[in-house]
Amino acid sequence: KAGVTQTPRYLIKTRGQQVTLSCSPISGHRSVSWYQQTPGQGLQFLFEYFSETQRNKGNFPGRFSGRQFSNSRSEMNVSTLELGDSALYLCASSQGGAGSNYGYTFGSGTRLTVV
Amino acid sequence: AQTVTQSQPEMSVQEAETVTLSCTYDTSENNYYLFWYKQPPSRQMILVIRQEAYKQQNATENRFSVNFQKAAKSFSLKISDSQLGDTAMYFCAFTAYSGAGSYQLTFGKGTKLSVIP
Repeated sequence: KAGVTQTPRYLIKTRGQQVTLSCSPISGHRSVSWYQQTPGQGLQFLFEYFSETQRNKGNFPGRFSGRQFSNSRSEMNVSTLELGDSALYLCASSQGGAGSNYGYTFGSGTRLTVV
Repeated sequence: AQTVTQSQPEMSVQEAETVTLSCTYDTSENNYYLFWYKQPPSRQMILVIRQEAYKQQNATENRFSVNFQKAAKSFSLKISDSQLGDTAMYFCAFTAYSGAGSYQLTFGKGTKLSVIP
């Protein structure tokens, strides 16, 4: 079956702009989580969506937001981009609920560069 | 809050040899799950192995096995018969129930493993 699909693979934006990243989970998976990966901070949890509802959020400013659609696809948005937002953004898909502890399937990520 | 520590930023191993990657964690939870993920240059995080804290038996997946010491909060990964394709960043990760049915992963900083021909 198809894996987790993230688009685009690469993105270059200017400070102050906003950006939207997309994630399509594995078919049947209802939970989508987002992680930010940087050399300095490592992998950090952004938020998780399940059945179109955000049910967990990490310690990131309000400029970072997301949503999930009825087909479980998710988008994350970053407004007023800062240089420090340059990172690899990874999306993880899971069955959700108790099934989440069986592991998460990740996409290949979107590499965002802010100049 | 949970923390995950990987004390070896980089390691190398000869092809066909065995290598062990270390991971310790800190938590007050009793029920949790531990994972090792591999991230090759392609960037995709790949699940290598998982361990449920309530299971005493160490998990094994082909050439990969773990040594889970719950009292010591230690979760090391052993790779046997190392292959060139094992070259990657390896991340130890922890998850426990976060409320409202949610789980989130807490990752260590990673260990860069190089397999030398």
